Amino acid sequence: GAVVSQHPSRVICKSGTSVKIECRSLDFQATTMFWYRQFPKQSLMLMATSNEGSKATYEQGVEKDKFLINHASLTLSTLTVTSAHPEDSSFYICSASPLTGSNTEAFFGQGTRLTVV
Amino acid sequence: TQLLEQSPQFLSIQEGENLTVYCNSSSVFSSLQWYRQEPGEGPVLLVTVVTGGEVKKLKRLTFQFGDARKDSSLHITAAQPGDTGLYLCAGSRGGFQKLVFGTGTRLLVSP
Repeated sequence: GAVVSQHPSRVICKSGTSVKIECRSLDFQATTMFWYRQFPKQSLMLMATSNEGSKATYEQGVEKDKFLINHASLTLSTLTVTSAHPEDSSFYICSASPLTGSNTEAFFGQGTRLTVV
Repeated sequence: TQLLEQSPQFLSIQEGENLTVYCNSSSVFSSLQWYRQEPGEGPVLLVTVVTGGEVKKLKRLTFQFGDARKDSSLHITAAQPGDTGLYLCAGSRGGFQKLVFGTGTRLLVSP
């Protein structure tokens, strides 16, 4: 199957700082990637749809100025958590699908554990 | 709002037992997927069902999509400790990529 890689896998940052998480499709191109957030013992919640070359689409209740998404190439999307607070601590997961066809499965990254202290 | 409710939320069983996990919604989905997630990792796709009434088997796992495409079930026969994990259903309304995840079922299979 296709490979999606996230970096870093774990990050600890201080309150008020910003942290960038990368999501790369290693062996395919993707015009669309998705960012999810998962709190402990909970399910995944879709945060936003990352569109290559255009603005991201955010789900209701997700602050676009706090969670900056950039999808500058067909293999890379980045999520920047700005002015991080402890409540932003979570497991962030991205997914991507190959360009060909709409009924292709989404491949998930291994996730990034963010801890804000 | 969580559109897909899973039950049970947590299940602890002995090796060799059978179990069924349910995924229910009031909404219709064009397809439904089941994932298993290990701690600290991303979810891994088990199966995709797209046709109402469809049944798919993957070794000891049997997946069914409801006739009205609003619900699904996962049945595991003779559970093994390696089946331990978080099971998630996820629905989509167009393509397979933008997903609404279920509330999750945490399964623990003891030797």
